[in-house]
Amino acid sequence: IAGITQAPTSQILAAGRRMTLRCTQDMRHNAMYWYRQDLGLGLRLIHYSNTAGTTGKGEVPDGYSVSRANTDDFPLTLASAVPSQTSVYFCASSDGSSNNEQFFGPGTRLTVL
Amino acid sequence: GQNIDQPTEMTATEGAIVQINCTYQTSGFNGLFWYQQHAGEAPTFLSYNVLDGLEEKGRFSSFLSRSKGYSYLLLKELQMKDSASYLCAVRDKDYQLIWGAGTKLIIKP
Repeated sequence: IAGITQAPTSQILAAGRRMTLRCTQDMRHNAMYWYRQDLGLGLRLIHYSNTAGTTGKGEVPDGYSVSRANTDDFPLTLASAVPSQTSVYFCASSDGSSNNEQFFGPGTRLTVL
Repeated sequence: GQNIDQPTEMTATEGAIVQINCTYQTSGFNGLFWYQQHAGEAPTFLSYNVLDGLEEKGRFSSFLSRSKGYSYLLLKELQMKDSASYLCAVRDKDYQLIWGAGTKLIIKP
C-alpha cells in the first residue's frame, strides 16, 4: 500500500441498506477525515479522528458513523442509506505538522437508489 | 456562518497566466490551502499560506491578505494538463478545513 486506499471504488446501494466504506493509510498519520463531495458544493466534513481511539463530528454527520480502532483504518458506516447520501466520498489523513496538509484517497462513488 | 467564495469557472489560453481568487469569512484563521483536483480524481495539495504575502512554487504562486480575507492562486505558462478544478480551503479556529466549491479552469490551445 502506498498512501491512502479506499474501497469500494464505486457502489450502487438500495435505500435502507447498511454500507461500510473502508479507508486505510500506511503513512502513520494521526489524523483522518471523511468528506463528501457534491456538485456545486465544497468538500463537506462528515467525521474526523485526531488520533486512534477518538472521533469527532464534522459539518454533516447525520446518518453516518465512524470508528478508529487503530492508526491505519477509519471506516465510515451508513446505517440505513437514503438517496440524499448519493455522493463521492473521500477519506483523507494528515500528520499534524504545522501546515497539516491533507492527503486524499481516490474516493468512493456511492449511488443510493 | 463560514463562507469561502471563488469563481465557478474560468477559461484561459495555453501559455498564458491566470489568477484564481478566493475570499473567505471564517471563525478564526489558521492557514489557507489551495488544492488541485482533476476530474474524477482526488484533490492534491498545491500550496499553504499562513502569513501575508506571496509563496512561489515553480509555475504556481499563492498570495494571502489576512486583513482582507483574500487569497489568489496564480498559474503561469499554462499547460493543457492544468485543466482542473482548484479548491480553496481555510483552516478555522478548530483546525478544521472549510472548503470552497472550487473553480473549474478550462485551458484552450
